[in-house]
Amino acid sequence: DAGVTQSPTHLIKTRGQQVTLRCSPKSGHDTVSWYQQALGQGPQFIFQYYEEEERQRGNFPDRFSGHQFPNYSSELNVNALLLGDSALYLCASSTDRVLGYGYTFGSGTRLTVV
Amino acid sequence: LAKTTQPISMDSYEGQEVNITCSHNNIATNDYITWYQQFPSQGPRFIIQGYKTKVTNEVASLFIPADRKSSTLSLPRVSLSDTAVYYCLVGMNSGGYQKVTFGTGTKLQVIP
Repeated sequence: DAGVTQSPTHLIKTRGQQVTLRCSPKSGHDTVSWYQQALGQGPQFIFQYYEEEERQRGNFPDRFSGHQFPNYSSELNVNALLLGDSALYLCASSTDRVLGYGYTFGSGTRLTVV
Repeated sequence: LAKTTQPISMDSYEGQEVNITCSHNNIATNDYITWYQQFPSQGPRFIIQGYKTKVTNEVASLFIPADRKSSTLSLPRVSLSDTAVYYCLVGMNSGGYQKVTFGTGTKLQVIP
């Protein structure tokens, strides 16, 4: 049973560019959450998608947007990249059918903005 | 969301039992307590989850006192491979929604 798959694993972009990160959730999971983790910090919640809609959002600017597809996979888009956007971006999948927390994380995409 | 407080770092010798305590004074009635483990450049990995009293699985035990204002993750007989950052989270399902907020975690260093 495949877990959460993220692509690409590493990415280098120039300041001002746009980037798209992809995530395939664990089989049986219908909810996808995205996190940003700066070096030495805990993951920070960006937003969560369920039934193809953003239903919760953390304290991130509108430059961060996302999408969820009918097969539950998801994309994270970041526009007008800043040097401070350099981080490990984590995707986590879950399902509301399981009470409490059952987040499965991917290994992340390491984004470097130069 | 309930805020959690954990020690920033801990050291332990191989083979010892390690207890990491998390404080969550404003935990809500419907909140669950969950612990994750994270290795460098990897996503967090679910360790254990509980609501009250004691929960045990093949990896760890979670002790939650009656007032639920704190919890303790217990790792029996740690090995070098247990060196990682451990996160304590509290949160709830609310109308089917889930919120997960990570703190800074506890960096555990296992010494040979």
